[in-house]
Amino acid sequence: QKEVEQNSGPLSVPEGAIASLNCTYSDRGSQSFFWYRQYSGKSPELIMFIYSNGDKEDGRFTAQLNKASQYVSLLIRDSQPSDSATYLCAVNHWGNSGGSNYKLTFGKGTLLTVNP
Amino acid sequence: EAEVAQSPRYKITEKSQAVAFWCDPISGHATLYWYRQILGQGPELLVQFQDESVVDDSQLPKDRFSAERLKGVDSTLKIQPAELGDSAMYLCASSLEDLTYEQYFGPGTRLTVT
Repeated sequence: QKEVEQNSGPLSVPEGAIASLNCTYSDRGSQSFFWYRQYSGKSPELIMFIYSNGDKEDGRFTAQLNKASQYVSLLIRDSQPSDSATYLCAVNHWGNSGGSNYKLTFGKGTLLTVNP
Repeated sequence: EAEVAQSPRYKITEKSQAVAFWCDPISGHATLYWYRQILGQGPELLVQFQDESVVDDSQLPKDRFSAERLKGVDSTLKIQPAELGDSAMYLCASSLEDLTYEQYFGPGTRLTVT
């Protein structure tokens, strides 16, 4: 069973601070890593993806990947109250069914609260 | 901007009844996924289609759940009979058939079984 682990939180940060969200995964063969944002009662929204070791920046968001440590993180700079949501880490890997499909395994998510 | 469409958005049904959910993926996306998300958990894959073919239904409770994508475009997920434990958000997602496999979700259907 492929596993993706996240701290459930809640993670509380003041407005303007950096929020750091972490994720570890069990399958060394995983190649693609995704961060989704999910507001309460809504569906997940893709905000970042990363495939190579190192950092990838997009606006206020930076994804970091370390395949040797099986660790991926998301940094949110200048956090805003509108960033308050659950952040889901997802990892792509070959399916367990023996078929020829990639599939995503999601963590349980980390609840982020940004306080004004 | 292209989006995944789902209906209904909300469904309340009594246990032992049948329910059906519909999904229309982003145009041109060959891969379609159905997920179930229980409150406080991440989405769990139920079934994955490549065009009209099922490529993974290993987590689909086949005694009561069925899914089809007859023309390789839109898809229907059915539960019969519904049980109390089926109350959850049912999410549809789609992706291009490329190495990125970025998945985009529809708004979901919130199912409540009473």
